[in-house]
Amino acid sequence: SQQGEEDPQALSIQEGENATMNCSYKTSINNLQWYRQNSGRGLVHLILIRSNEREKHSGRLRVTLDTSKKSSSLLITASRAADTASYFCATDDSGNKLVFGAGTILRVKS
Amino acid sequence: DAGVIQSPRHEVTEMGQEVTLRCKPISGHDYLFWYRQTMMRGLELLIYFNNNVPIDDSGMPEDRFSAKMPNASFSTLKIQPSEPRDSAVYFCASRLSGGGYGYTFGSGTRLTVV
Repeated sequence: SQQGEEDPQALSIQEGENATMNCSYKTSINNLQWYRQNSGRGLVHLILIRSNEREKHSGRLRVTLDTSKKSSSLLITASRAADTASYFCATDDSGNKLVFGAGTILRVKS
Repeated sequence: DAGVIQSPRHEVTEMGQEVTLRCKPISGHDYLFWYRQTMMRGLELLIYFNNNVPIDDSGMPEDRFSAKMPNASFSTLKIQPSEPRDSAVYFCASRLSGGGYGYTFGSGTRLTVV
């Protein structure tokens, strides 16, 4: 069963623009993670935010977490064509396994 | 480290045949996970191991599916007999113990059962 639900399902932007993806989840979590998947490839871990953190940065990525609303957002600034991929949020509620959302398909046009 | 290694990358088999998927986790990672990805159901956790011991196999869809981890560097996922609805991409992932670590995924095995 899927825990996280991403919004939007698909997003198309121009190179240089910012991309924002949202994730909502249902139960209490230890941490929330974001992954990227290029077409035909495996998932790549981008960033992890713990339940007691509100914001985290990694390069052009910014993740926020609002545990009161059970939601998270991933912001990619100054997007590039190479950012074209599917992005998944995943929640860890027990410390031992991840449950993934359905993903957001991001297309960055050059 | 070469990352998580899965084999084969692609497998096409006939309904009723046995299929074995293989995974080599990253050395030192003591958790190993098997996921299945389909368009309809997304990414589903099938089973995970900790220190080679199966901890949670509640995601294994049927008795036709079985997984083993005979040692820290090797795991298999077996489907016997295979059915067309088993067609999917199967991913293996590993991670270190303790909270706060992301998973490292393999490139997956694309299984097609005809």
